[in-house]
Amino acid sequence: NAGVTQTPKFRVLKTGQSMTLLCAQDMNHEYMYWYRQDPGMGLRLIHYSVGEGTTAKGEVPDGYNVSRLKKQNFLLGLESAAPSQTSVYFCASSYRQGGHYEQYFGPGTRLTVT
Amino acid sequence: AQTVTQSQPEMSVQEAETVTLSCTYDTSESDYYLFWYKQPPSRQMILVIRQEAYKQQNATENRFSVNFQKAAKSFSLKISDSQLGDAAMYFCAYRSSNAGGTSYGKLTFGQGTILTVHP
Repeated sequence: NAGVTQTPKFRVLKTGQSMTLLCAQDMNHEYMYWYRQDPGMGLRLIHYSVGEGTTAKGEVPDGYNVSRLKKQNFLLGLESAAPSQTSVYFCASSYRQGGHYEQYFGPGTRLTVT
Repeated sequence: AQTVTQSQPEMSVQEAETVTLSCTYDTSESDYYLFWYKQPPSRQMILVIRQEAYKQQNATENRFSVNFQKAAKSFSLKISDSQLGDAAMYFCAYRSSNAGGTSYGKLTFGQGTILTVHP
């Protein structure tokens, strides 16, 4: 199993450009998440999905859109990138076993917006 | 909403010594889970230890143990016999239980503590 993979690993964008980050998991997990990590702020939840075709807003959703057309993929889109979106982005997936949701994280994507 | 606070931006320890990382949280819930994650320079998030709030016994995983004080809403991580490989950013995280069916496993993280291990 590859686990959770993220594409790309690094990206530099100019202000106003758009891009899509791809997260893929091969563990048949139902739940998927996008977090962003900023210095001094830890990881914050952007959007999440509880199943194919469903998405929901997290703590910091503004400026981002997501889609979950296939169970194994969770896409994060930036329509018009801003310098404030410079961050490291983590995708995670999990399954529910009783009360447990063990989260598996991807390796992260470092995005710089100039 | 729940909040998690790590008040120590940086900590350091000598190899083979013991260090304790602090974490406090705020919640009105009675049932939840607490976690410590390790993030080495590779950026990979690694689960170190998990504590279930309804369990009074503190969790331990080899050299890692926690001091869970539910009434004080405190959840510290103790690393014994520190090794150079323990150097990393450590995050404390909170997750609601699924009793209400709406948590969906979402995590709330603290700000992180950078741990340096000196040889």
